[in-house]
Amino acid sequence: EAQVTQNPRYLITVTGKKLTVTCSQNMNHEYMSWYRQDPGLGLRQIYYSMNVEVTDKGDVPEGYKVSRKEKRNFPLILESPSPNQTSLYFCASSLITGRIHRQFFGPGTRLTVL
Amino acid sequence: AQKVTQAQTEISVVEKEDVTLDCVYETRDTTYYLFWYKQPPSGELVFLIRRNSFDEQNEISGRYSWNFQKSTSSFNFTITASQVVDSAVYFCALSEGTNAGKSTFGDGTTLTVKP
Repeated sequence: EAQVTQNPRYLITVTGKKLTVTCSQNMNHEYMSWYRQDPGLGLRQIYYSMNVEVTDKGDVPEGYKVSRKEKRNFPLILESPSPNQTSLYFCASSLITGRIHRQFFGPGTRLTVL
Repeated sequence: AQKVTQAQTEISVVEKEDVTLDCVYETRDTTYYLFWYKQPPSGELVFLIRRNSFDEQNEISGRYSWNFQKSTSSFNFTITASQVVDSAVYFCALSEGTNAGKSTFGDGTTLTVKP
């Protein structure tokens, strides 16, 4: 089954404790992306990756890092989480071939930083 | 800088009514991509469509249709004969051709379809 998985699904942590949210896709997609969703602020892109070893900033990259060492994985790293990073996070991967574009989202990770 | 405006914050209709969700965008690029997404009450995100700036043909998929008009910088989404299952938040998004991986979203329109 084609899917994007995220782990953990829920996480409560404390300020400053480094954490990683994993994202994995089994569709061999080149493009992957991270978004955060906050009430009143909608969806905002954090980082994206057009292919292995190619990553770039979205609209709100501050406080986050990513890596793309292999095609299937695109982890989101919070080196020193702060309460303003409390949010719902979505990972996505996309098939982009000519006119064809299909995007698949993970189920979301709800992060609370105390 | 790119910008997406979904002026309708909330829309409520009765089942079987047609409803149009508006999306207006701003970009300086001549090449860009427009998207629609659905987020039902369960919370997952669902990709609906991508349209590129060179393709102004309207698209129909079942009860869904999309009207792209470059002259008014709009990419509106119509649901025909709405159903309760269409109740969701719908997001419009834009990415510019010069940086096609970067997306900007509108604030979303919450659609409620009442039985």
